[in-house]
Amino acid sequence: DVKVTQSSRYLVKRTGEKVFLECVQDMDHENMFWYRQDPGLGLRLIYFSYDVKMKEKGDIPEGYSVSREKKERFSLILESASTNQTSMYLCASWGVNQPQHFGDGTRLSIL
Amino acid sequence: AQTVTQSQPEMSVQEAETVTLSCTYDTSENNYYLFWYKQPPSRQMILVIRQEAYKQQNATENRFSVNFQKAAKSFSLKISDSQLGDTAMYFCAFSLYQGGKLIFGQGTELSVKP
Repeated sequence: DVKVTQSSRYLVKRTGEKVFLECVQDMDHENMFWYRQDPGLGLRLIYFSYDVKMKEKGDIPEGYSVSREKKERFSLILESASTNQTSMYLCASWGVNQPQHFGDGTRLSIL
Repeated sequence: AQTVTQSQPEMSVQEAETVTLSCTYDTSENNYYLFWYKQPPSRQMILVIRQEAYKQQNATENRFSVNFQKAAKSFSLKISDSQLGDTAMYFCAFSLYQGGKLIFGQGTELSVKP
């Protein structure tokens, strides 16, 4: 069974901090994604990656960056956290002939 | 650009009854993929059902089935014999490619009442 693991289930940070959200998948999937989930808006794509060291902007990349140094790990970085980045963050990965598999999400609060 | 719309923010159904969740989408492409995901309070997103646009036949997974109307750009989910464990947020999603980015609707919160 595919396992997508997000490093934290809950996280509280302060404005201006640099925040790292980590995601690891164990199935050698090429494609990995970071989504943000807000009530009434569904999930929106922040960034995605089709291969190591490759990244593409999604629909709402402002204020975020990503890193994919190894195939199994895809990190989301909030360069200088702001209160409007308080949200649920979901990581997903995809492999051939499979649907996207999601992690359990990180609920991030920026104070 | 593609969009997905779920017009029912909340729905409720009695246990053992049938409920239908609505989803419409907009695209100019001819081939694409549609999905229904379930997110229970545990937050784990679970794929419920998947439909490929080039397939005429509506997808079915046990108690879950879809009504895919390509011309109308409609993709509704029917849950038969509703169970308490079906209580969750349901998201409709669209993708142009297998493995491509998903575009989600706003979600429908379904409550199954005993």
